[in-house]
Amino acid sequence: AQSVTQLDSHVSVSEGTPVLLRCNYSSSYSPSLFWYVQHPNKGLQLLLKYTSAATLVKGINGFEAEFKKSETSFHLTKPSAHMSDAAEYFCVVRNTGGFKTIFGAGTRLFVKA
Amino acid sequence: EAQVTQNPRYLITVTGKKLTVTCSQNMNHEYMSWYRQDPGLGLRQIYYSMNVEVTDKGDVPEGYKVSRKEKRNFPLILESPSPNQTSLYFCATTSPAGELFFGEGSRLTVL
Repeated sequence: AQSVTQLDSHVSVSEGTPVLLRCNYSSSYSPSLFWYVQHPNKGLQLLLKYTSAATLVKGINGFEAEFKKSETSFHLTKPSAHMSDAAEYFCVVRNTGGFKTIFGAGTRLFVKA
Repeated sequence: EAQVTQNPRYLITVTGKKLTVTCSQNMNHEYMSWYRQDPGLGLRQIYYSMNVEVTDKGDVPEGYKVSRKEKRNFPLILESPSPNQTSLYFCATTSPAGELFFGEGSRLTVL
């Protein structure tokens, strides 16, 4: 069975400081992993995806994530937060070739000036 | 432009009054799905469709129906809405590479 746990419901950082959003997953098969971002009153946009190629994945807007199989983690990072990064972030797991897609509960990122 | 279009975007209705939320995509993707988003719960899959005339239940299908008569459309039907179906609904397609493309969302309130 698949599951996704986002370890923090809220994260608050100051502009210009690093961002770390944590995600652990459970999957019986080789998973595909994604991070999506949702700005207020908007749909979801893909930030990045891992599909069994390089373990360090670079996404849009300076975000990146590292797949660590031994820790079953896929944490999202950014070296320097910007005010426009304030949004809700979702970690998502999908079995390769499968149809079930499981979302984490989301982490709301606040960025202080 | 690649799009997933949902209608209506906002709807207030009353308990028991049947409603349909439409979803249309222009990306020729075979796989489509419906999600509901509730605070603290993330997105939960309601139904999905692997192709025309092929649909299956997701994690929270109770109270919903879907149909897939043609590839581009995947409507969500609430036969007898109840207040616990008040939520934000998203339609999505999935590319062959596994990426989800979402509509803008439909906010439904059932009184």
